[in-house]
Amino acid sequence: AAGVIQSPRHLIKEKRETATLKCYPIPRHDTVYWYQQGPGQDPQFLISFYEKMQSDKGSIPDRFSAQQFSDYHSELNMSSLELGDSALYFCASSPWSGGLEAQYFGPGTRLLVL
Amino acid sequence: AQKITQTQPGMFVQEKEAVTLDCTYDTSDPSYGLFWYKQPSSGEMIFLIYQGSYDQQNATEGRYSLNFQKARKSANLVISASQLGDSAMYFCAMREGRGAQKLVFGQGTRLTINP
Repeated sequence: AAGVIQSPRHLIKEKRETATLKCYPIPRHDTVYWYQQGPGQDPQFLISFYEKMQSDKGSIPDRFSAQQFSDYHSELNMSSLELGDSALYFCASSPWSGGLEAQYFGPGTRLLVL
Repeated sequence: AQKITQTQPGMFVQEKEAVTLDCTYDTSDPSYGLFWYKQPSSGEMIFLIYQGSYDQQNATEGRYSLNFQKARKSANLVISASQLGDSAMYFCAMREGRGAQKLVFGQGTRLTINP
């Protein structure tokens, strides 16, 4: 079965640089979610999109922005990177039902900021 | 206040034994969903099982079952006949309310299966 695709899988950046993470949801899933997992921590919700509109917002820094495109893929843009942004970034997807569907996670993008 | 609490930072179990991972939650919303995810050392997050707040029966998925005790606000994961490949970090998570988006995770339990 098709899964969530994330690219790149690994990324190394310098402080103050920018990064763009991409997410391709499972086919027919129209809702995407972004999470950040620091070392030894649980995932923290950043932001979600449904039908290209932001549907919920969590602890996403102002330096980060995200969007969902007409083909439902999503991109997380990160600017002025800081050492503390080093983390595993997950994208997840689900169908929108208004209910409590499970979210299916991609393999993650491991970002290291030097 | 912590929405999801997993009180077992680590557990060690012999292969083929059953294991219960504890999870308690805190919400005042009558509509919510509880989820368990497995995170192996490779890092991916694998969905295991789901329990809705209105579900009358405990959820089961193969060797995984969820011991849902609503009055006690607990949603423990039971893994039967554990295997070496079950060694991983396990996260309990909750979504609150209809249309809720974010998953709130517990701190996780690291399960190690010994041969």
